[in-house]
Amino acid sequence: DILINQSPASLTVSAGEKVTMSCKSSQSLLYSENNQDYLAWYQQKPGQFPKLLIYGASNRHTGVPDRFTGSGSGTDFTLTISSVQAEDLADYYCEQTYSYPYTFGAGTKLELK
Amino acid sequence: EVKLQQSGDELVRPGASVKMSCKASGYTFTDYAMHWVKQSPGQGLEWIGTIIPLIDTTSYNQKFKGKATLTADKSSNTAYMELSRLTSEDSAVYYCARLEYTTDCFDYWGQGVMVTVSS
Repeated sequence: DILINQSPASLTVSAGEKVTMSCKSSQSLLYSENNQDYLAWYQQKPGQFPKLLIYGASNRHTGVPDRFTGSGSGTDFTLTISSVQAEDLADYYCEQTYSYPYTFGAGTKLELK
Repeated sequence: EVKLQQSGDELVRPGASVKMSCKASGYTFTDYAMHWVKQSPGQGLEWIGTIIPLIDTTSYNQKFKGKATLTADKSSNTAYMELSRLTSEDSAVYYCARLEYTTDCFDYWGQGVMVTVSS
């Protein structure tokens, strides 16, 4: 199984701050035939289902604000929120869909001061 | 509008089975695989498995083989997951999610079914 190490486990920030969180995979998620990374980021607000933010490591899903940016390739990935808003309070998960079984990181909890 | 409507929360006895549904609307059901994900209380997300409704092919996380059975009814655009021999470890929220093939990610999710295993 591909292991996903997500860090930090939690972040406490003030509104307007820049936030970065990391996702590291135990093996490359880059499929050479199409040069695509099979890594997605999801946001889960309290009491809600997860929602897709980023796919293919760096592509914003429809309707996702541009303050959310995904980057990285291979085994190291980052989700950046350029200026955190109160509505961004949530858990963030990365997931690999490179191979079965699909696996998720343990999540990063974003809390606001 | 794409929607995945899951069945209601369940309270079940240890040792029993439970079958939940995920009714799809707003798209062609057989064009997309349906996946299932478990979220234990206060925990992260675990991938259970998937079914391709067009050809009724399933793939399971080894951890859930023998525990979960995935089926689909093309006539009603509904996917099902049955969990058997329930224990307290199976108490969790279970989500269905559609896999978008071109981007290989879960672009739509059901609202979740909370299963509580208790005597």
